Amino acid sequence: DSGVTQTPKHLITATGQRVTLRCSPRSGDLSVYWYQQSLDQGLQFLIQYYNGEERAKGNILERFSAQQFPDLHSELNLSPLELGDSALYFCASSVGTSGEETQYFGPGTRLLVL
Amino acid sequence: GQSLEQPSEVTAVEGAIVQINCTYQTSGFYGLSWYQQHDGGAPTFLSYNALDGLEETGRFSSFLSRSDSYGYLLLQELQMKDSASYFCAVKTRSTLTFGKGTMLLVSP
Repeated sequence: DSGVTQTPKHLITATGQRVTLRCSPRSGDLSVYWYQQSLDQGLQFLIQYYNGEERAKGNILERFSAQQFPDLHSELNLSPLELGDSALYFCASSVGTSGEETQYFGPGTRLLVL
Repeated sequence: GQSLEQPSEVTAVEGAIVQINCTYQTSGFYGLSWYQQHDGGAPTFLSYNALDGLEETGRFSSFLSRSDSYGYLLLQELQMKDSASYFCAVKTRSTLTFGKGTMLLVSP
């Protein structure tokens, strides 16, 4: 158990809908990262927040948005959903943002878009 | 941008030694990480190399050559539970970019 929690574990929804994925980092970690893992694309970095502020952006689509709240939990919003958004979404956390800390991954949210 | 190359699959038998190679192209390189992921599970951190050389952690070792943009993960005394995907990942100042992963199959 990494100490990072993600909800929900599974999500089945339809194209055009909106979903919110939630992540709580390990106690004391200020950075939260979001990743998307699909069979053909591997593990893709989406976005990073540090202490409430956006820190780095990766391959995040404009249909996706995220934020980190004052209590440091983070949410990833996906809307409107497309079939290709079906994937595993992981959240990870680390203490700081120097680029050298270990990232601890949550168990992931498996999203299926029908 | 960054790119990483690693073999898609490696097979080995219990008790053997296996090496998973990773070559990368990137700017602003900080270091090379390795993560293990069992099927459907979360990636878990194995090792991080910022400097050239070999880092050993139990049965696992990781090597980095910055001049060759190359690293490898060495797994010794393989066990069935080592069957998993192994990802190398390049750290830059602000991001961690993963390779597509190497599936290791350990047979009895």
